[in-house]
Amino acid sequence: AQTVTQSQPEMSVQEAETVTLSCTYDTSESDYYLFWYKQPPSRQMILVIRQEAYKQQNATENRFSVNFQKAAKSFSLKISDSQLGDAAMYFCAYPYGGSQGNLIFGKGTKLSVKP
Amino acid sequence: EAGVAQSPRYKIIEKRQSVAFWCNPISGHATLYWYQQILGQGPKLLIQFQNNGVVDDSQLPKDRFSAERLKGVDSTLKIQPAKLEDSAVYLCASSLDRRTYGYTFGSGTRLTVV
Repeated sequence: AQTVTQSQPEMSVQEAETVTLSCTYDTSESDYYLFWYKQPPSRQMILVIRQEAYKQQNATENRFSVNFQKAAKSFSLKISDSQLGDAAMYFCAYPYGGSQGNLIFGKGTKLSVKP
Repeated sequence: EAGVAQSPRYKIIEKRQSVAFWCNPISGHATLYWYQQILGQGPKLLIQFQNNGVVDDSQLPKDRFSAERLKGVDSTLKIQPAKLEDSAVYLCASSLDRRTYGYTFGSGTRLTVV
């Protein structure tokens, strides 16, 4: 079965510092994508960053970067220079099932940012 | 471009009543998804449409939930009769090419069943 595991229910970071959110997944597919989504209190899922499994280079989007370890099936999100607006639920997600696949989500990590 | 529109934003109903949610995806997006997100959990797929055909409804409680996507555009998700455990946020998402553009989500409908 395809699963996504986020082992940190809650994390806290001081403003301007760096925090890493963990995610592991299980899949039998060889070519796939991985996503991190942010869900603020407004409830809308916002795509933070995307990683293609066949690319060895870790994806980066401004202050957000990933540490992708395909063999270990690990996909962690690093947030640098944390800002108050980064406070939200963060979900790791994996689209299962080929070109028409649906997203399988982890349970999420609630990130708090302290001023 | 306009995002995925959902309505209503909030809904409170009594158990055994019926309720319907509406979703308008991004124009041109062939694939539409309905997810159920129970408090403290990640979203779980209820049903996936490709144009107006159902691709996956294996996790949809068909005795009480139904969904349709007429003309391959707007979609409606209905619950009849509602149970207390249906209290959740119902998210709609659409995608054009998930590998290039990913998935775009609406703001969801928060349903409370009392």
